[in-house]
Amino acid sequence: NAGVMQNPRHLVRRRGQEARLRCSPMKGHSHVYWYRQLPEEGLKFMVYLQKENIIDESGMPKERFSAEFPKEGPSILRIQQVVRGDSAAYFCASSPRSGVGTEAFFGQGTRLTVV
Amino acid sequence: GIQVEQSPPDLILQEGANSTLRCNFSDSVNNLQWFHQNPWGQLINLFYIPSGTKQNGRLSATTVATERYSLLYISSSQTTDSGVYFCAVERTSSSNTGKLIFGQGTTLQVKP
Repeated sequence: NAGVMQNPRHLVRRRGQEARLRCSPMKGHSHVYWYRQLPEEGLKFMVYLQKENIIDESGMPKERFSAEFPKEGPSILRIQQVVRGDSAAYFCASSPRSGVGTEAFFGQGTRLTVV
Repeated sequence: GIQVEQSPPDLILQEGANSTLRCNFSDSVNNLQWFHQNPWGQLINLFYIPSGTKQNGRLSATTVATERYSLLYISSSQTTDSGVYFCAVERTSSSNTGKLIFGQGTTLQVKP
């Protein structure tokens, strides 16, 4: 069973460019979460999605960031007009359902560097 | 929101030593997980343990939900145990979205 797959593993973007981070959940998982880890910090929740729906985006910056989880294909975290402060590790997690008794499994992360 | 505090923040051990890492949380939870982030940045699931005790090889964990803490035990530590250990919880609420709140981690260095 393949785990949560994220790509690319490393991404370098110049200020002002767009960054697209992809996440394929584990087989059979329909719930996807994105977390961000800023340098020397713990992980912070950004957004929770089910297929074609954003359920909770309370941790997502209001501007420049968006996420989607289409019916077909991976979940995408999109950052427009990147700035140096967006440099971080972005982790995706998936679970088979939400609610009580659900373990989340994490991908290997995408390390975004903005130069 | 819920507070998740981990202690100690840093820990240095000699290979072969045992250690206990602690995670305190300020509200009732229906999910608690322990993770190991290795020096390459990969986040590895260790335990899903909202209550009770589990063991996996040299690692074991205990969560006492009523007293709002969890412990991670590492026995006979090895250099490959080095890295950051995170505790993460999901607060019990009507929404039950599965959103995890992470502690700040315990950074462990095991010396040969």
